[in-house]
Amino acid sequence: DVKVTQSSRYLVKRTGEKVFLECVQDMDHENMFWYRQDPGLGLRLIYFSYDVKMKEKGDIPEGYSVSREKKERFSLILESASTNQTSMYLCASSREQGAEGDEQYFGPGTRLTVT
Amino acid sequence: GQNIDQPTEMTATEGAIVQINCTYQTSGFNGLFWYQQHAGEAPTFLSYNVLDGLEEKGRFSSFLSRSKGYSYLLLKELQMKDSASYLCAVREIGGSYIPTFGRGTSLIVHP
Repeated sequence: DVKVTQSSRYLVKRTGEKVFLECVQDMDHENMFWYRQDPGLGLRLIYFSYDVKMKEKGDIPEGYSVSREKKERFSLILESASTNQTSMYLCASSREQGAEGDEQYFGPGTRLTVT
Repeated sequence: GQNIDQPTEMTATEGAIVQINCTYQTSGFNGLFWYQQHAGEAPTFLSYNVLDGLEEKGRFSSFLSRSKGYSYLLLKELQMKDSASYLCAVREIGGSYIPTFGRGTSLIVHP
C-alpha cells in the first residue's frame, strides 16, 4: 500500500514564525503536491513537484515556498506565518501525470493554527 | 480553467441509493476522479472515468458524459459509514495535467 505521512497532525504557531511542514511518501512516486483545505472552498493547490529539485506554483502559492531535495520528501514552508494561513494542509503523491490510473494518494493532513 | 459544480450537502437513508452529481466546464477534458473523505481524514480514491459510460465497483458506480460535462457517483445499499464528503476532480489536457477539485459534497446517511 502507498503510504504518505506528514510530520504533524496538529500544529500551533505564532504570527511571524517560520513553519515547516514535512511530507514523505514510500512508493517512489514522481509527483508530490501540497494542498490546503478550507470549509466551503475545497482543496486548493499550493505547489507541486514532478521531480527532485523541481517545483511549480499551484493556484495559491503566495506566502508559501517548497523544497524537494529527495524524491520521497516534499516540504512546505511558511516563511512568515499569518492568521489567514490557519488551515488543514494535505500532502499528496501520484505516479505520473496525464496517465490513466494516476490517482493521488493523500497524507492524513496537518491542521495548522496560527495565533 | 475549469468550473466544477457539486451540491454542497445531501442526506439519505441507510439502505437507500444516492446519486451525487458533478458538472464541469473545461476546454480539454482528460479525466475525472472521485474521492471519498471522512471527517478528519485524508481523501481516498474511489473511481476514474475518461470515457463515456458507467464504471462499477461494488456498491459504488461512476458515470461520465463528456458531451454534457457531467458525471455522477452512485452509491447503493447505503451504510452509515458512507457518511463522508465526496470530491469530484477534473483533469484538463495540457499544462500540468493536475486535476482541479470541486468543493465536495457532504453526504449524511441517517438510520
